[in-house]
Amino acid sequence: GQSLEQPSEVTAVEGAIVQINCTYQTSGFYGLSWYQQHDGGAPTFLSYNALDGLEETGRFSSFLSRSDSYGYLLLQELQMKDSASYFCAVNRGSTLGRLYFGRGTQLTVWP
Amino acid sequence: DGGITQSPKYLFRKEGQNVTLSCEQNLNHDAMYWYRQDPGQGLRLIYYSQIVNDFQKGDIAEGYSVSREKKESFPLTVTSAQKNPTAFYLCASSMEVDTGELFFGEGSRLTVL
Repeated sequence: GQSLEQPSEVTAVEGAIVQINCTYQTSGFYGLSWYQQHDGGAPTFLSYNALDGLEETGRFSSFLSRSDSYGYLLLQELQMKDSASYFCAVNRGSTLGRLYFGRGTQLTVWP
Repeated sequence: DGGITQSPKYLFRKEGQNVTLSCEQNLNHDAMYWYRQDPGQGLRLIYYSQIVNDFQKGDIAEGYSVSREKKESFPLTVTSAQKNPTAFYLCASSMEVDTGELFFGEGSRLTVL
């Protein structure tokens, strides 16, 4: 079978740092993506890791360890607007057609 | 502005009726996708197409059909065979390069009464 595990909810205060973990078990692995989705909106792409290590994009960073089937999204200097759902997604094939999403982590940022 | 347009945004239908959701993109992307999202759930792949006149079943294709007659368009029909069609439907597109990035439309929320 296939599975992606991520926490269902995370809360933090403005200015803090939060880490959202994702462990996966899939048939085929080419990379791990992260998406943000505000309530009722379209998911937007945040980052992608095909190789082990850390990718940094502004306040957001993403990490991948292929040997541990594990990745995380790190959000720094949290702002109220970061309150949203965050999804990890595994690319199971050589094209994007086989992107498999986790159930998402609801992040709430408090003032 | 380049992007993906889905219509309608909200749709109500009676049980037993087929409905077709529209998806148009002007990003010149070869690949297009349909995902379904239920409350508190991740996105599940219904169908995808990597090139005109070709498409592949995703993880939950039963009760759905698609066509890809033009590069820009990838309509999804929710048929009466779909047992639980009420959901949020998202269309996406991508370049055929492994960047892990999908571009999503704003979604269509279908409610079957």
